[in-house]
Amino acid sequence: DTAVSQTPKYLVTQMGNDKSIKCEQNLGHDTMYWYKQDSKKFLKIMFSYNNKELIINETVPNRFSPKSPDKAHLNLHINSLELGDSAVYFCASRGGVNYGYTFGSGTRLTVV
Amino acid sequence: GDSVTQMEGPVTLSEEAFLTINCTYTATGYPSLFWYVQYPGEGLQLLLKATKADDKGSNKGFEATYRKETTSFHLEKGSVQVSDSAVYFCALRMDDKIIFGKGTRLHILP
Repeated sequence: DTAVSQTPKYLVTQMGNDKSIKCEQNLGHDTMYWYKQDSKKFLKIMFSYNNKELIINETVPNRFSPKSPDKAHLNLHINSLELGDSAVYFCASRGGVNYGYTFGSGTRLTVV
Repeated sequence: GDSVTQMEGPVTLSEEAFLTINCTYTATGYPSLFWYVQYPGEGLQLLLKATKADDKGSNKGFEATYRKETTSFHLEKGSVQVSDSAVYFCALRMDDKIIFGKGTRLHILP
């Protein structure tokens, strides 16, 4: 029943590792997003995909690469993890111009 | 560029007190405005929205009015409850991007 689901919910990993976070939405929305929330709760957009096509790519290190195999999925792959990557990552989707966003419950990434 | 500024927290109130969380925005066009709420350990939930000037969004006793003349979207509630303790984010949407304020943490004391 979950509208936007992310996995895993928690991820603890060592510096230098490569990890992926998955996101799926069952709302039929065309647009999906990744947001990063830092320790001060500040939310910043990272990427946006519309129907599998990248439409927003904010200033994010190349180590972060989104992948959208279909419009219901937007995964985030991170190479060579750094301590500063520790944050909560939120996936979101939106159905159209006049619709609000639906957020997933977040993935808390801790790099040690 | 487009931005959202909201009052810094934490805001601590007693139960049944009146709440105002200020939010102002800067945008080149006519954005839609939102308030999101994040309860401890959870993701963001849409609380209310307004899509044009003078619109009032309301939900769960919270209200906010889109004021174009003052570029503001202040959140208000007449009588807060302990269960309202959370972080509140003001946000605007322009084109296909939503921009959030830094969030205001609200503590309600019983």
